[in-house]
Amino acid sequence: DTGVSQDPRHKITKRGQNVTFRCDPISEHNRLYWYRQTLGQGPEFLTYFQNEAQLEKSRLLSDRFSAERPKGSFSTLEIQRTEQGDSAMYLCASSLFSGPSSYEQYFGPGTRLTVT
Amino acid sequence: GENVEQHPSTLSVQEGDSAVIKCTYSDSASNYFPWYKQELGKRPQLIIDIRSNVGEKKDQRIAVTLNKTAKHFSLHITETQPEDSAVYFCAASINNAGNMLTFGGGTRLMVKP
Repeated sequence: DTGVSQDPRHKITKRGQNVTFRCDPISEHNRLYWYRQTLGQGPEFLTYFQNEAQLEKSRLLSDRFSAERPKGSFSTLEIQRTEQGDSAMYLCASSLFSGPSSYEQYFGPGTRLTVT
Repeated sequence: GENVEQHPSTLSVQEGDSAVIKCTYSDSASNYFPWYKQELGKRPQLIIDIRSNVGEKKDQRIAVTLNKTAKHFSLHITETQPEDSAVYFCAASINNAGNMLTFGGGTRLMVKP
């Protein structure tokens, strides 16, 4: 499968624990996005990278959230001191930015986080 | 920031009928409008998109129209089939400013055989 992959697919954790998710984009894609989706809602933008640079962060991304893309390939999203409100599907998407254009974003299968 | 409203939230049609889903956006700078289909427990899949320099785009049974003046865009599915049943999301972005997508709330489409 040459699409976007995410690991783990499911994570159950206790409130207060730290969790880390991984996203592997489509290999030639230089842009990587993180979104969060709660049940019955559309995805909400969290942050995005172009190569290894984090270029934008949503106000939804509290100080407990941090994301990295150290070598411009895979990315990690860490949530510290998880809260029940963090329970959601965390989606990663990638796209190819070429010159002034960056259009189609392709999504991974997501990591479903449940905080108990 | 951008706000995208999507209607209806649920839509039930008979197999073979057409389905129309409508979205409005608030930021006149938005210039890219994709539509995603999400089946239960699966990833959102891009099914069609439109850029602000065109008014309509078709791909087999699916078409999207864009009215920049009114700031609304619509998805049209003709000859619906049971496998079209899913949740559909519209989205908007400013392509030359990071292309961060703002999604609508989704439409659950049910196609009855």
